[in-house]
Amino acid sequence: EVQLLESGGGLVQPGGSLRLSCAASGFTFSSYVMSWVRQAPGKGLEWVSTITGSGSITYYADSLKDRFTVSRDNSNNTLYLHMNNLRADDTAVYYCTKDRCSGCPGDYWGQGTLVTVSS
Amino acid sequence: EIVMTQSPATLSVSPGETATLSCRASQSVGSNLAWCQLKPGQAPRLLIYGASTRATGVPARFSGSGSGTEFTLSISSLQSEDFAVYYCQQYNNWPLGFGGGTKVEIK
Repeated sequence: EVQLLESGGGLVQPGGSLRLSCAASGFTFSSYVMSWVRQAPGKGLEWVSTITGSGSITYYADSLKDRFTVSRDNSNNTLYLHMNNLRADDTAVYYCTKDRCSGCPGDYWGQGTLVTVSS
Repeated sequence: EIVMTQSPATLSVSPGETATLSCRASQSVGSNLAWCQLKPGQAPRLLIYGASTRATGVPARFSGSGSGTEFTLSISSLQSEDFAVYYCQQYNNWPLGFGGGTKVEIK
């Protein structure tokens, strides 16, 4: 059974940093593209970033690529999202997804972790 | 950037009836269109990809159609567990993009 478990969310001050993790199980992690998608309170879904199975290629939403970095540790089946210089509008639930291919929609999603940026 | 527009924003439907949701792309996305379902407190769920292919385990009452710029998700014989928010997503071009969502509520 595919399982994706996000962690690392919480309350952070504007300008701060946070690292989200997504622990994956139930599939061969290194073989799959993974992504992050977020949902701000009362808003719709927003794609954040995608990383290929080897980690060699990454993609970002234009508005985030200077502050967010996606990475993965295939030896520990874990996906990461490093977020710097956080702003109030980064407040959202962050989901990790397992994708069928690069650029494909997530076929499995985690339950998400809430990031709140506030002073 | 391709802009995805969903309508209506809210759809009130009685259990057992059919819900029809629309999604429009600002330019052609071919058949690279997916639908997903969000319920409070649950992991989002992929329903449809390739505009019309049901994901693993998705009931046959969910069907997708369309290509190019106009897409439809139909949910027949609505059941209680189907009341949720539905999003379309284009994956034809980077950046990947979602519509604003349609909330299907009980009438």
